[in-house]
Amino acid sequence: AQSVTQLGSHVSVSEGALVLLRCNYSSSVPPYLFWYVQYPNQGLQLLLKYTSAATLVKGINGFEAEFKKSETSFHLTKPSAHMSDAAEYFCAVTSNTNAGKSTFGDGTTLTVKP
Amino acid sequence: DADVTQTPRNRITKTGKRIMLECSQTKGHDRMYWYRQDPGLGLQLIYYSFDVKDINKGEISDGYSVSRQAQAKFSLSLESAIPNQTALYFCATSRLAGGDTDTQYFGPGTRLTVL
Repeated sequence: AQSVTQLGSHVSVSEGALVLLRCNYSSSVPPYLFWYVQYPNQGLQLLLKYTSAATLVKGINGFEAEFKKSETSFHLTKPSAHMSDAAEYFCAVTSNTNAGKSTFGDGTTLTVKP
Repeated sequence: DADVTQTPRNRITKTGKRIMLECSQTKGHDRMYWYRQDPGLGLQLIYYSFDVKDINKGEISDGYSVSRQAQAKFSLSLESAIPNQTALYFCATSRLAGGDTDTQYFGPGTRLTVL
């Protein structure tokens, strides 16, 4: 079985501040991990993904995430928030044994204050 | 043009009506999915299909049915809509092999309101 927990349904930061969105996963086999972003009135789009290569993964728009097996975490960070980063962010997990199905977290809404 | 399209984008209907939501993709992917999104609940998988002859129930399939008419088309039906099916519905695709294996590509969503 696989699952994802996103800690904090809402995160608010000031423009220019560090963004940290937390994701912990559970998987009985090596996971593939994803972060997706959803802008208002749009579908989800891929930010970045981890597939067992480098543990630090860089994505679009300056975001990155670090896979930490010992902590079963895959937190998303960005050094300096921009107003355009305001969106909902979803962490997801899948694996080879789960037939290509992804399990999504409940999402974290990021608000960026001027 | 968008790779994954959904029609309609918005629909308001009444309890008991039959509704079909359609999804088409030009990505050439073999796998297609239907999700519903409710505030604070993330995405819940309704049905998924790994090829034209393969249809599988997801977490919340009761009250829904699907049809995979072709590799590029995957429709979701609500046989008798009820108010708690009011939600945002997303279609997604992915492929079995290649550099973006398991990455899901989403349509823009259909906002369904059942009165």
